[in-house]
Amino acid sequence: QVQLVESGGGVVQPGRSLRLSCAASGFTFSNYGVHWVRQAPGRGLEWVAALSDGGGIKTYADSVKGRFTIFRDNSKSTLFLQMNSLRGEDTAVYFCAKELRPEVAFDIWGQGTVVTVSS
Amino acid sequence: DIQMTQSPSTLSVSVGDRVTITCRASQSISSWLAWYQQKPGKAPKLLIYKASSLQSGVPSRFSGSGSGTEFTLTISSLQPDDFATYYCQQYNSYSVTFGGGTKVEIK
Repeated sequence: QVQLVESGGGVVQPGRSLRLSCAASGFTFSNYGVHWVRQAPGRGLEWVAALSDGGGIKTYADSVKGRFTIFRDNSKSTLFLQMNSLRGEDTAVYFCAKELRPEVAFDIWGQGTVVTVSS
Repeated sequence: DIQMTQSPSTLSVSVGDRVTITCRASQSISSWLAWYQQKPGKAPKLLIYKASSLQSGVPSRFSGSGSGTEFTLTISSLQPDDFATYYCQQYNSYSVTFGGGTKVEIK
């Protein structure tokens, strides 16, 4: 079935790096834009980054611009989020999500991976 | 950046009630709006896209309306499974934003 599975979360010290992965299956990954969305404990949803199907368009939330990089490997149907210079406010559950083409609404979400930034 | 403001932040209702949640955009987003339902510990679920299009498999008691800057999600007769938090999301550009959420709780 169509699904996204995140991995790579964990506990990391402030200032360190972490890379999240999102493995896609059940659909032609290269045909869809994909996004990262996060949710801090007890808070609402915050969009983090987007990457178009061909990889030509990348956008980031101001809160992560210059620190996070979104990229994809279509040959492995996998989306990544490289997170550098992590801060306490980056602590959240990170979800990957697939666009409902041609809408930029998200019809498929992963289960989430937890990132905790703490010394 | 486009800001999305949802109201109310909390709604106390009973089974069978008609529920209306409002979402306002800081500038016109045409009909580029989606609604999601999220339950604790789970990923969000898409309910409505393009302001009023019902996502496949979503019950018909959910409906969306609006365009420009004002949008509404309506649940015609609240069911026990509908107690959750609801979010709007604009996608007028490729930098999307979510509203702050509306928690629908049992009165």
